[in-house]
Amino acid sequence: DAGVIQSPRHEVTEMGQEVTLRCKPISGHDYLFWYRQTMMRGLELLIYFNNNVPIDDSGMPEDRFSAKMPNASFSTLKIQPSEPRDSAVYFCASSSVDRASYEQYFGPGTRLTVT
Amino acid sequence: LAKTTQPISMDSYEGQEVNITCSHNNIATNDYITWYQQFPSQGPRFIIQGYKTKVTNEVASLFIPADRKSSTLSLPRVSLSDTAVYYCLVGDMGLTGGGNKLTFGTGTQLKVEL
Repeated sequence: DAGVIQSPRHEVTEMGQEVTLRCKPISGHDYLFWYRQTMMRGLELLIYFNNNVPIDDSGMPEDRFSAKMPNASFSTLKIQPSEPRDSAVYFCASSSVDRASYEQYFGPGTRLTVT
Repeated sequence: LAKTTQPISMDSYEGQEVNITCSHNNIATNDYITWYQQFPSQGPRFIIQGYKTKVTNEVASLFIPADRKSSTLSLPRVSLSDTAVYYCLVGDMGLTGGGNKLTFGTGTQLKVEL
């Protein structure tokens, strides 16, 4: 398996622009997570899905952030409009609880820079 | 939230055992404890998980006391390649409900020297 795939790997945009981050989870995994990592706040859970349904979005910073999972093999995290404080590395992770495991498989991340 | 606290950094030498402790005082009954390793410019990588007592796998051991308010990751005989940031992750994935939201610790930078 190719693992969790994220695109783009790097994104530079100007304040006010819309940004869309993409994630393809590992096939067969029924959980998908979006995290944000910054020096100041560390790793934060933004939202996670189970069987394509959002379970907990309490970590989404504000209405400018939205996430969707239209099917089991694709998810997007959208920021509109983007602000410089959104600059961070965004990770997508997937997991399967069939084995009663909490092991999450992380993608390589998308480094977002908003100028 | 399961507030989690870890030492900022630790230093060790090759061949030594390293123990990293994570404090999670308000852990809930349904919360699990998981540890991850992260190298620069990479996503975190799973090391080990546990609920109580001791768990051991091929790379590490995890010790959890009876009150579950802390956990200790033990890395036996570390090498230079173990230099990385180590995170505890505490919470419930919603399997049974009632647990805390998944929360990463502050991370511990481990530096291993010759």
